[in-house]
Amino acid sequence: QQQVKQSPQSLIVQKGGISIINCAYENTAFDYFPWYQQFPGKGPALLIAIRPDVSEKKEGRFTISFNKSAKQFSLHIMDSQPGDSATYFCAASPTSGGNQFYFGTGTSLTVIP
Amino acid sequence: GAGVSQSPRYKVTKRGQDVALRCDPISGHVSLYWYRQALGQGPEFLTYFNYEAQQDKSGLPNDRFSAERPEGSISTLTIQRTEQRDSAMYRCASSAASYGTQYFGPGTRLLVL
Repeated sequence: QQQVKQSPQSLIVQKGGISIINCAYENTAFDYFPWYQQFPGKGPALLIAIRPDVSEKKEGRFTISFNKSAKQFSLHIMDSQPGDSATYFCAASPTSGGNQFYFGTGTSLTVIP
Repeated sequence: GAGVSQSPRYKVTKRGQDVALRCDPISGHVSLYWYRQALGQGPEFLTYFNYEAQQDKSGLPNDRFSAERPEGSISTLTIQRTEQRDSAMYRCASSAASYGTQYFGPGTRLLVL
């Protein structure tokens, strides 16, 4: 079964707007939550990651919000740009029990000028 | 420096044939992972290695799939008696330690006719 659930499947945002992608998990052994960005024809590339000891991590225009009690985490892209148009995958990993990543199903983001 | 490389980039084979997919991780990376990515989906974990030891093969779909990393560097994913349902993008990733950021290769697109 899908270990990490991701929504929405697709997202269209105006340039300058905020893009929000949500993920949820069940396995409490997960303790590392990365977000990957994938452009067509390319492999996924790490965007930003968080561990559950913090509730938020910000890197430039990208922020992860983490709610440990709800077992949810989300990616916020501020001031979205057309160059951000890509597919975004959340993932979760039980690093203490192995580093295999369990990915969400992906969100196709389109930022329109 | 060089990233993760995979070969071949594309492989077309007939049903029933065996295929071998190669992954060359980033030099010095301890861990190597294999994923399968269907179109429009997130990568699905298959197996991973720390050095030459296969740590987890729980994601391999059946016994037609096997992987090895005999010298702790290059890895080969072998699919025996291929079936049409094996058609997918096969991605390899590596990480410097047995936890943390995974760097993905460009993938091998496998098509079984």
